[in-house]
Amino acid sequence: NAGVTQTPKFQVLKTGQSMTLQCAQDMNHEYMSWYRQDPGMGLRLIHYSVGAGITDQGEVPNGYNVSRSTTEDFPLRLLSAAPSQTSVYFCASSYNAVNYNEQFFGPGTRLTVL
Amino acid sequence: GDSVTQMEGPVTLSEEACLTINCTYTATGYPSLFWYVQYPGEGLQLLLKATKADDKGSNKGFEATYRKETTSFHLEKGSVQVSDSAVYFCALKGSSNTGKLIFGQGTTLQVKP
Repeated sequence: NAGVTQTPKFQVLKTGQSMTLQCAQDMNHEYMSWYRQDPGMGLRLIHYSVGAGITDQGEVPNGYNVSRSTTEDFPLRLLSAAPSQTSVYFCASSYNAVNYNEQFFGPGTRLTVL
Repeated sequence: GDSVTQMEGPVTLSEEACLTINCTYTATGYPSLFWYVQYPGEGLQLLLKATKADDKGSNKGFEATYRKETTSFHLEKGSVQVSDSAVYFCALKGSSNTGKLIFGQGTTLQVKP
């Protein structure tokens, strides 16, 4: 099992550019989510999905889109990058959304927007 | 809404010292509580969890007890090692069906030889 994988590890964008952060898991987990990590703020939920074809907004969804066409993949799209989106992005998955289930995190993507 | 508050860091200790990182929470219903650890340059790993009041989670010498009466989940270790240097996050998952983890701001631990 590779667990949760994310690509790329690092990315530099210019303001206004678009890009997609990739996330995949091979554990047949129903639940997947995206967080951003900023200094002194912990991790904040951007979007989540409770199953293929179902997505919903988290705490900080503005400027980001997601889709979930398969169980395995949950890409995060930045439509028009802004410096405020400079952050470390983590994808996570768990068996389902029930509260006692562990979430497994990917290694993260460090994004810089100039 | 639900929230988690952790003691601010950084925390600097000598090897073999005792560690306590305070964590308190606000939540409705019966949340599950977690401690995650992030080693430099890596993602988060689950360190331990507790899913109901008075449960004690433990792993790698770390312990935390779910105290509903004080809404706390403090992380403790009797003797830290240099390899424990990392950022520690307290988190809760509430009883909604969003699966959302709510994190504290993280506490950096540095252990010196």
